[in-house]
Amino acid sequence: DGGITQSPKYLFRKEGQNVTLSCEQNLNHDAMYWYRQDPGQGLRLIYYSQIVNDFQKGDIAEGYSVSREKKESFPLTVTSAQKNPTAFYLCASSRGVREKLFFGSGTQLSVL
Amino acid sequence: DQQVKQNSPSLSVQEGRISILNCDYTNSMFDYFLWYKKYPAEGPTFLISISSIKDKNEDGRFTVFLNKSAKHLSLHIVPSQPGDSAVYFCAAGTSGGSNYKLTFGKGTLLTVNP
Repeated sequence: DGGITQSPKYLFRKEGQNVTLSCEQNLNHDAMYWYRQDPGQGLRLIYYSQIVNDFQKGDIAEGYSVSREKKESFPLTVTSAQKNPTAFYLCASSRGVREKLFFGSGTQLSVL
Repeated sequence: DQQVKQNSPSLSVQEGRISILNCDYTNSMFDYFLWYKKYPAEGPTFLISISSIKDKNEDGRFTVFLNKSAKHLSLHIVPSQPGDSAVYFCAAGTSGGSNYKLTFGKGTLLTVNP
């Protein structure tokens, strides 16, 4: 079955630690996205990538970094500079820009 | 600056009745709109979309209406079923420009009571 896989489902971060959230898709989609969901805040765009080796900052990119070395993979690193990392993180992909998004099942990140 | 607004945080309806979820937007450049449904601890799933050249799009029990002059769209679910209970997000995008992204509203929690 084609889809988007996010791992892990739950992740805990210690103070000063960088953590990386995995996102893999086998839909052959060109575009990939990272969103953050906070209670009552909806979905906010962190980073997106329209093509391999290229990515753009979204609305709340500070404290995060990404890479897009392969079409299938778009990992997100939450750095120690992100002071409020506790949230539900969603990865998505689409065939191209202006196409509907397909979402993964999310990663809940919490701070110890 | 919230460009996509869902002013009702929650909505409760009886099974079999109509559910109407509303969404307003402020950016006149938006010309493509989508509705997503989300269960707790899961990713959103696509429901239905509409482009600005249309004022209505229907898919089974789901219909989306677009009023461009009012910058308003709504999602109608008829008849509502308990399995429809979820958070519904409205999203908007533009079909022009080199950098594309969807802007989401904060969501409306729909509860359908048996």
